[in-house]
Amino acid sequence: NAGVTQTPKFQVLKTGQSMTLQCAQDMNHEYMSWYRQDPGMGLRLIHYSVGAGITDQGEVPNGYNVSRSTTEDFPLRLLSAAPSQTSVYFCASSARAYGYTFGSGTRLTVV
Amino acid sequence: QQQVKQSPQSLIVQKGGIPIINCAYENTAFDYFPWYQQFPGKGPALLIAIRPDVSEKKEGRFTISFNKSAKQFSLHIMDSQPGDSATYFCAASKGGAGSYQLTFGKGTKLSVIP
Repeated sequence: NAGVTQTPKFQVLKTGQSMTLQCAQDMNHEYMSWYRQDPGMGLRLIHYSVGAGITDQGEVPNGYNVSRSTTEDFPLRLLSAAPSQTSVYFCASSARAYGYTFGSGTRLTVV
Repeated sequence: QQQVKQSPQSLIVQKGGIPIINCAYENTAFDYFPWYQQFPGKGPALLIAIRPDVSEKKEGRFTISFNKSAKQFSLHIMDSQPGDSATYFCAASKGGAGSYQLTFGKGTKLSVIP
């Protein structure tokens, strides 16, 4: 039982590059979310999904794209990386709208 | 606009002490208030949560106190141990269609000294 798996754990990108952060859960959870964590800022919601085919924007969606084609996977795409997107990214899932389980994070640096 | 305000930013206590972390919110539509614990290099983990229909909830050494009229809630850690050293986040979410959106406080870094 792996829980929420995020890959890669670390990534360095050049400004303007694109990439996809992967998130997979094996708990058959309906709800999935992406957060970014910056020093002194807490966690801020980027995008979320309430089921396959259904996504919506959170507090800080600009520069990010998501899709949810299966229950298990919820990838986060950076369209054109900027230094302001340097952060630690967490994916989370829940069987209901409360009690989220978080992954171990992806530390992204944009140079 | 910061919807959930958390204090203090950092806290140092002796082993056996009772650290208290406070949070305040503005939005009266919030109806679920969880606390998360995060160790360095790890994701946040749900610690304990409360709804506004109760004033206190205990799970082991962790207690949430909730004051609905003041729109404040706090986390108390009884008999704190060095292993409790971590960053703690309070959060809040609305019921209904907004219930999948957690709004987090900025976090409190707790250090428990042996």
